[in-house]
Amino acid sequence: GAGVSQSPRYKVAKRGQDVALRCDPISGHVSLFWYQQALGQGPEFLTYFQNEAQLDKSGLPSDRFFAERPEGSVSTLKIQRTQQEDSAVYLCASSLVWGRDHHFGDGTRLSIL
Amino acid sequence: AQKITQTQPGMFVQEKEAVTLDCTYDTSDPSYGLFWYKQPSSGEMIFLIYQGSYDQQNATEGRYSLNFQKARKSANLVISASQLGDSAMYFCAMREDAQGGSEKLVFGKGTKLTVNP
Repeated sequence: GAGVSQSPRYKVAKRGQDVALRCDPISGHVSLFWYQQALGQGPEFLTYFQNEAQLDKSGLPSDRFFAERPEGSVSTLKIQRTQQEDSAVYLCASSLVWGRDHHFGDGTRLSIL
Repeated sequence: AQKITQTQPGMFVQEKEAVTLDCTYDTSDPSYGLFWYKQPSSGEMIFLIYQGSYDQQNATEGRYSLNFQKARKSANLVISASQLGDSAMYFCAMREDAQGGSEKLVFGKGTKLTVNP
């Protein structure tokens, strides 16, 4: 496809379960980002990849959050032992290196019961 | 301190009028980029406009223009001839180019724009 693709669009999990969120960036985009957006707030940075290298993970809120991009294209954000405060929309974005825009996917809305 | 400040939680404008959404930023980095995004109720983040700190001219994209006042550290978005479809949340964001190689964006809290018919 032409845009950033995220799956699933919606995910409901019970507290304590592990979840995996997928992002398929625009072809050729070297940079990939994950953001977390709580209801009524602006997106908050989680982590950043350039190709397969995770250059910045300063925004990951705890060691329960883990992201990978093993072949420099598709990325997965994994959350272990989910908690209610993890409920949010998780946005993935991609861009050319130091590009003039981030192209965002439609997000995954995660609800933890 | 907040890196991006959007002081207007909500704004109202009449259809076909112009509206300015405020954004101020805080950085000591001489090289940075400023972005505006639109987020309709459907949730997708739509890129509107970009301004680089070294760009000589204010950025324009169709009905969107960015009023960049570097000394005041402000980057206000101007939407001309508002349309009903412009009703959405608008986010201002900044990328600091000397942050250890990270291209992350820092977002403001957003402004909810409502266009009235």
